Amino acid sequence: GDSVTQMEGPVTLSEEAFLTINCTYTATGYPSLFWYVQYPGEGLQLLLKATKADDKGSNKGFEATYRKETTSFHLEKGSVQVSDSAVYFCALNRDDKIIFGKGTRLHILP
Amino acid sequence: DTGVSQNPRHKITKRGQNVTFRCDPISEHNRLYWYRQTLGQGPEFLTYFQNEAQLEKSRLLSDRFSAERPKGSFSTLEIQRTEQGDSAMYLCASSLVLAGGAGEQFFGPGTRLTVL
Repeated sequence: GDSVTQMEGPVTLSEEAFLTINCTYTATGYPSLFWYVQYPGEGLQLLLKATKADDKGSNKGFEATYRKETTSFHLEKGSVQVSDSAVYFCALNRDDKIIFGKGTRLHILP
Repeated sequence: DTGVSQNPRHKITKRGQNVTFRCDPISEHNRLYWYRQTLGQGPEFLTYFQNEAQLEKSRLLSDRFSAERPKGSFSTLEIQRTEQGDSAMYLCASSLVLAGGAGEQFFGPGTRLTVL
């Protein structure tokens, strides 16, 4: 079945550092891909999405590109802030059901 | 606040007791989903509704679990004879799905269940 694998955390960075969180997927066809974020004490929020190969999703300085050749959707940000500390989930949509990775906890130090 | 709401936010119960959670979706949304998230894992799909019809149930949803959406608005998730393995965060999401498309799922804050 379909699945999502993302790098394990926690990831700890200093403010203004460059961020990459790796994500690869296994799926038939070309499902839509997502990154969700869960801030402390809050619900899951959609951060960005891409619906077809080579699409780049972006939001709040975060970017991810749908790479069908490598079945990847890595999350990047050029300069992280303390407020980016959260848990990040890579996910795909299969028949309107979202399949999530295990999540990566990100800590940003001031 | 017009987002998805869930009640209660926390529930502690003893093994063997029944519990019921409620989800109120965004008002114009026609689809409602339930997911379960255990510690250190991503959410896993349980079931979903199109209006009042339950369209699919995951194999994770044992016969002790039942979900309803009687009027196509709010939904309840009941767990009978709770077990310690049921301890998790139960998430609700809703979306507006039009013909031929899939809508963005908006998530509620979740109900955290602890079974002692």
